[in-house]
Amino acid sequence: GENVEQHPSTLSVQEGDSAVIKCTYSDSASNYFPWYKQELGKRPQLIIDIRSNVGEKKDQRIAVTLNKTAKHFSLHITETQPEDSAVYFCAASKPGGYQKVTFGTGTKLQVIP
Amino acid sequence: DTGVSQDPRHKITKRGQNVTFRCDPISEHNRLYWYRQTLGQGPEFLTYFQNEAQLEKSRLLSNRFSAERPKGSFSTLEIQRTEQGDSAMYLCASSLAGSQYNSPLHFGNGTRLTVT
Repeated sequence: GENVEQHPSTLSVQEGDSAVIKCTYSDSASNYFPWYKQELGKRPQLIIDIRSNVGEKKDQRIAVTLNKTAKHFSLHITETQPEDSAVYFCAASKPGGYQKVTFGTGTKLQVIP
Repeated sequence: DTGVSQDPRHKITKRGQNVTFRCDPISEHNRLYWYRQTLGQGPEFLTYFQNEAQLEKSRLLSNRFSAERPKGSFSTLEIQRTEQGDSAMYLCASSLAGSQYNSPLHFGNGTRLTVT
């Protein structure tokens, strides 16, 4: 089955700096890669996703890049703010009947004011 | 969009008791998933349904766990003879099936189970 590894497990940055979280996946058939943000005691919420037919996607301060050859994808947050502090999960899924979404182990991001 | 709703939010039970959780997905979504999350870990896949059919079940799921989605709408997850290791947050999510690419999962707030 699919295996998703995520690094680092914790990340502290100063407010205004950038944060980068990296994930690798094992199954080359995976073609959809969402990122979720989970604040303490709350549900995971989708913040950005990327499909395998593009290499990069941006949404304001958040961007995701995908390298299909190397089977890794990354989340980039620029100009970090204290409200960005949360646990971030990457995930991977395959098309068609293989809908199971496999999550990484999470990165706890702390933005220091 | 009323979102995915789960009931109850919290459940405390004694070891050996049975518990049942309910999930109501977003109405137009045909896929429904159950995940389990423990502190500091990512959501762990348990099972998922497309309409009323249970398409996949994790090998980690023991025979004490059963899930149903009888009419392709809401779903229930039952845990029989609960053990302390079952203590976790049980998350339900729904999505719309895609032929080429899958759509994002929308999670409920979860049911936190504590087995004493």
